[in-house]
Amino acid sequence: SYELTQPPSVSVALGQTASITCEGDRIRLRHVHWYHQKPGQAPVLVLYRDNHRPSHVPERFSGSSGGDTATLTIDVAQAGDEGDYFCQLWDSGPLMFGGGTKLTVL
Amino acid sequence: RLQESGPGLVKPSETLSLWCSVSDFSLNSRFHDWGWIRQSPGEGLQWIGTIAYRGPTSENSYYNPSLRGRVTIDVDVSANRFSLKVTSVTAADAAVYYCGRQVNDYGPSGECGVDVWGQGIAVIVSS
Repeated sequence: SYELTQPPSVSVALGQTASITCEGDRIRLRHVHWYHQKPGQAPVLVLYRDNHRPSHVPERFSGSSGGDTATLTIDVAQAGDEGDYFCQLWDSGPLMFGGGTKLTVL
Repeated sequence: RLQESGPGLVKPSETLSLWCSVSDFSLNSRFHDWGWIRQSPGEGLQWIGTIAYRGPTSENSYYNPSLRGRVTIDVDVSANRFSLKVTSVTAADAAVYYCGRQVNDYGPSGECGVDVWGQGIAVIVSS
């Protein structure tokens, strides 16, 4: 089955740019979605189909994909951006999730 | 707008049954599927299964093969809710269970992720 690999943790200084990667075989050929989960809460969709933002998500969030890596980029990181981020894609039926990356804003 | 309900405690070897009540939108949508996802303590997200309901004569469900046929998802259109049943539960099934609305028109727009999630319900497996 298709596997998605994320780094367990990423740290970013307040106000700087954070990048979270999601690796998968030829992921550039798939559409990747990203979720943000704060402790004790349900995940929230922050990007869909690689780089589309739901209306509630600020422009600071963007995405890209190439080769075997999809990337979520968060500009001007804020304390409220802390939490776990999961990538996900649709495997023509099953939903595949990455293992998640814990983002810490220093 | 999605709300899970059901027992928070299930005995080993018994069946876990949960409901997801949907408000503000209809289960019968050509743009949405309905799914269950769980998260074990301190772990990531695991997709359990999805049901695509497009009317009484068009209903397809598919499940995570790792759950080895123990899972069933059904819809109750009259009550605008859908269910999850997991049989023969073990400690490994203890998790927070989320229901979600999956955006998918199986057409030009394609699949666009889970845009609405329930708040989750914690399930403990213990005798």
